[in-house]
Amino acid sequence: NAGVTQTPKFRVLKTGQSMTLLCAQDMNHEYMYWYRQDPGMGLRLIHYSVGEGTTAKGEVPDGYNVSRLKKQNFLLGLESAAPSQTSVYFCASSQTGDHTGELFFGEGSRLTVL
Amino acid sequence: SQQGEEDPQALSIQEGENATMNCSYKTSINNLQWYRQNSGRGLVHLILIRSNEREKHSGRLRVTLDTSKKSSSLLITASRAADTASYFCATGNYGQNFVFGPGTRLSVLP
Repeated sequence: NAGVTQTPKFRVLKTGQSMTLLCAQDMNHEYMYWYRQDPGMGLRLIHYSVGEGTTAKGEVPDGYNVSRLKKQNFLLGLESAAPSQTSVYFCASSQTGDHTGELFFGEGSRLTVL
Repeated sequence: SQQGEEDPQALSIQEGENATMNCSYKTSINNLQWYRQNSGRGLVHLILIRSNEREKHSGRLRVTLDTSKKSSSLLITASRAADTASYFCATGNYGQNFVFGPGTRLSVLP
């Protein structure tokens, strides 16, 4: 049982380049989340989805876009990367709705923007 | 603003000792969760305690919740080197996103 899988695990970008992070879950969860983790900041929510075809903004959505075309996949895009987006990105999913259930996390994607 | 704040930021103990870390939050919650993160890995759910519960146990873990003080504590008994990790609390509530604190870094020395 793979759980939550993120690809790629590492990526280095130059300022202005674009990229997409892919999150896939095989638990049939409705809710999916993208977080970023920076030293001393804990996890901050970027965007989330409450089901296929839906997306919503989190705490720090600027500079990111997301799509949830299939229930099992949640994509995070950076259209024009900036050094401030250097971070570790985590995807998570939850079976229980309305932000009250256990979160299952992927292993993270470390992004460096030069 | 962050809902959860863990205390202390870092904790270093000897193997076999107990480790206690605390979490404070600001607004009403439906539940509070604790997660562990090993270096370079994702977060792993440890335990969830609901707002109508005061204490919960899971193996060597004991979690308490005091809604009047808006605080929770995580106790790890008889710690092991494998418990070395960062520990995060997260609050959940209907209609509100989960909010994570900055975490407590626990080092268990052999």
